Amino acid sequence: EVQLVESGGGLVQPGGSLRLSCAASGFTFSAYSMNWVRQAPGKGLEWVSYTSSSSSTIYYADSVKGRFTISRDNAKNSLYLQMNSLRAEDTAVYYCARNHLPTAIPDYWGQGTLVTVSS
Amino acid sequence: QSVLTQPPSASGTPGQRVTISCSGSSSNIGSNYVYWYQQLPGTAPKLLIYSNNQRPSGVPDRFSGSKSGTSASLAISGLRSEDEADYYCAAWDDSLRGVVFGGGTKLTVL
Repeated sequence: EVQLVESGGGLVQPGGSLRLSCAASGFTFSAYSMNWVRQAPGKGLEWVSYTSSSSSTIYYADSVKGRFTISRDNAKNSLYLQMNSLRAEDTAVYYCARNHLPTAIPDYWGQGTLVTVSS
Repeated sequence: QSVLTQPPSASGTPGQRVTISCSGSSSNIGSNYVYWYQQLPGTAPKLLIYSNNQRPSGVPDRFSGSKSGTSASLAISGLRSEDEADYYCAAWDDSLRGVVFGGGTKLTVL
């Protein structure tokens, strides 16, 4: 069974940093590209970042480019999102998602972790 | 403002057939597969349709997808109360080099 478990969310002040983690199990993590997708309270889904299976290709949404960094450790079956210079508008539930091969579109999603940026 | 355009709401009575549209452009729907998700309140999105019209195992055949040009549709037949949820379309965008989502459609079963 595919499982994706996010952690690391919480309350952070504007301008602060946070690192999200996603622990994957139930599939060959190293074979799959992955995404981070977020959802602000009461709003729709917003794609954040993509990494290929080997990290050779990485993309970011314009809204987070230069502030967020996606990474992965295939030996640890883990995906990460380093978030710096956080803003109030980054407040959202952040989902880790496995992509449907060979596309870059999610098929399985984690339960999400809430990030709140507020003073 | 979402790149893919969906109606904000849709409704139907039990047993009815409803459709939800998703409009895009040549750089996304026009040249890539469309995916559909169902999100029940307080839960993560669940994949309903992939590659325009394919259902993952476990998804009832009441759900179907189609695509024509730069638009796509999700149809739900034999509407049930448990179908009340938010529905999102998604596709890869070659120009933006990222995943684009519709704004979501809230389906109400009357």
